Order: sequence, then C-alpha cells, then structure tokens
Amino acid sequence: DAGVIQSPRHEVTEMGQEVTLRCKPISGHNSLFWYRQTMMRGLELLIYFNNNVPIDDSGMPEDRFSAKMPNASFSTLKIQPSEPRDSAVYFCASSLTGGEDSPLHFGNGTRLTVT
Amino acid sequence: SQQGEEDPQALSIQEGENATMNCSYKTSINNLQWYRQNSGRGLVHLILIRSNEREKHSGRLRVTLDTSKKSSSLLITASRAADTASYFCATGQGGSEKLVFGKGTKLTVNP
Repeated sequence: DAGVIQSPRHEVTEMGQEVTLRCKPISGHNSLFWYRQTMMRGLELLIYFNNNVPIDDSGMPEDRFSAKMPNASFSTLKIQPSEPRDSAVYFCASSLTGGEDSPLHFGNGTRLTVT
Repeated sequence: SQQGEEDPQALSIQEGENATMNCSYKTSINNLQWYRQNSGRGLVHLILIRSNEREKHSGRLRVTLDTSKKSSSLLITASRAADTASYFCATGQGGSEKLVFGKGTKLTVNP
C-alpha cells in the first residue's frame, strides 16, 4: 500500500499564475478530501468527494479554486489565478468508506508558495 | 469553523515523562479521533473513540472522552523523543463525512 500520493511536494509560483495540485488516493477508498493548512487558520477542509462526486465544496475560499475527480484514482485542485495569500500546505486525504468514523489517510502535502 | 480546540498549544517534556493533551469541542458528536503530524508530513490517525466509550487504549496511548463536558484527553505514557510532533483532535459535523480539526498541540520530547 503506497498510501496517498501528492505531487508536487513543493511549488513556488508567481502571483497570477495557475497552479495545479495532484492527488492519488489509496486504491479502494471511496472518499477523498482536500485540506489546507496554515499557521493562522490551522487545517481547513476545502472540498470532499464521495465516489468521485463532489459532496461539499463550501470550504473552497473563492471561485479561483476548483477541484475535480475524473476517476477513482486521481484528483486535482486548481488555483487560477494564484495569490500570495494562497500560500499554504495543501493536503489530500482519503478514507475507505467515508463517514465520520472512517479514519483519514493523508498524503505528505504540497507546500505552495506564491510570490 | 473550528470544532475541536486543543490545549495546551505547546508542551515540552523530558523523555520518559507522560504527556497529556486536551481537546474541547462544541456540539454533540458520535466519535472523536486523534491524529499525529510529524514536521513536514501528513497527519496520521492514532485512535478513534466513540461517544459511548469513556476510555480507550492503544499501546502507550490512552484516550478519554467526557461527553458531558464535551472534552477528550490524550495521554502518552513514557514519552520518547520520537513522539515529538503535533497532535490534533478531530470531530465530525452532524454525522457527515466532514472532519473538522483543532489547531493542535505541539509536543516536544527532549532526550
């Protein structure tokens, strides 16, 4: 089991550029979550999918953020255009069954720096 | 919105001592989870305690839950330098899949 795989590990970009973060969940997991972590705000849930369908995107901060899950083994989080305040560590997590009693398995995150 | 809040924000102890971290939450829950995050890594699930359970053990970890006080504690016994990490509690919102995390307790275990 390779765990949740995120790429890239680090991304440095200039304000206004498009950023795409990628995630491969654990095979067989039905739910996928995107979180953002900053010192000020802690871990914030941005969006989650169940069986590839977006269920709740109320945490997505602005229309500049979008997420897709075209199949069970791949998801992307896109920021366009990026801004310095988007700098954070973005985590993808998956869980077997979804539901609040299903532990989350996190990737090691993408550290995004927008200058 | 933040559901769980950990206390203290930071804790520094010597190897071999016990470490206790607390979590308070606001609304009714079905269960509560604890996670650990090492520097530069993702969170790792440690233990889940259900609302009808008062105490649960896993190795050197002991978790308690007091639903009347809406609080939980995580005790790490005989701490090791490798336990140095941030610890988070997480609760669901209204039975949905949404897990909300507190801001964590940063534990430093000095050798």
